[in-house]
Amino acid sequence: DAMVIQNPRYQVTQFGKPVTLSCSQTLNHNVMYWYQQKSSQAPKLLFHYYDKDFNNEADTPDNFQSRRPNTSFCFLDIRSPGLGDAAMYLCATSRGTSPDEQYFGPGTRLTVT
Amino acid sequence: QQPVQSPQAVILREGEDAVINCSSSKALYSVHWYRQKHGEAPIFLMILLKGGEQKGHDKISASFNEKKQQSSLYLTASQLSYSGTYFCGAIRYNQGGKLIFGQGTELSVKP
Repeated sequence: DAMVIQNPRYQVTQFGKPVTLSCSQTLNHNVMYWYQQKSSQAPKLLFHYYDKDFNNEADTPDNFQSRRPNTSFCFLDIRSPGLGDAAMYLCATSRGTSPDEQYFGPGTRLTVT
Repeated sequence: QQPVQSPQAVILREGEDAVINCSSSKALYSVHWYRQKHGEAPIFLMILLKGGEQKGHDKISASFNEKKQQSSLYLTASQLSYSGTYFCGAIRYNQGGKLIFGQGTELSVKP
């Protein structure tokens, strides 16, 4: 089945230790998104790629970066995680941008110790 | 600003109906509805694109009033499987297609 896959599902990192989360998709969608979702809150968009074009949200901390080496894969790099970065990180894809529906992966829950 | 959803939480008995509202302070191009169960990814329910459009499948439907900048999600004859947090996502004009989620409405359906 075509899907959005995120690895790992659970990630524990130490304060200040760089961490990379990965997302892959078999849908061949043009757009890939990264969202941060904290407990009992709505998903918050960090950035997205339309093909290779990177779009960063204005309020996304510089600590967060992303790479999309090809259509199928997208990575979220957190250079120096702080305690406030503990959250669920959701990857999503869509065929195009508005108003196409977004398909979400299962998420990676990040814990910072 | 994110859309405002109401109510924040609702508890239903199986078979009861519920309405979840989503309001925006800015003009909307489209509204998306998603359901998320605890610890899982949001699942797409439907998109409403035009003012006045209504969509539905099974016993879940939604309306979009472009003039009032509001959308409502209707759940009829609720089932246990409807439990979860419902998010509306608003796409505004001239925002590059960015989806901004409301704060969510937690729905619990009890036997």
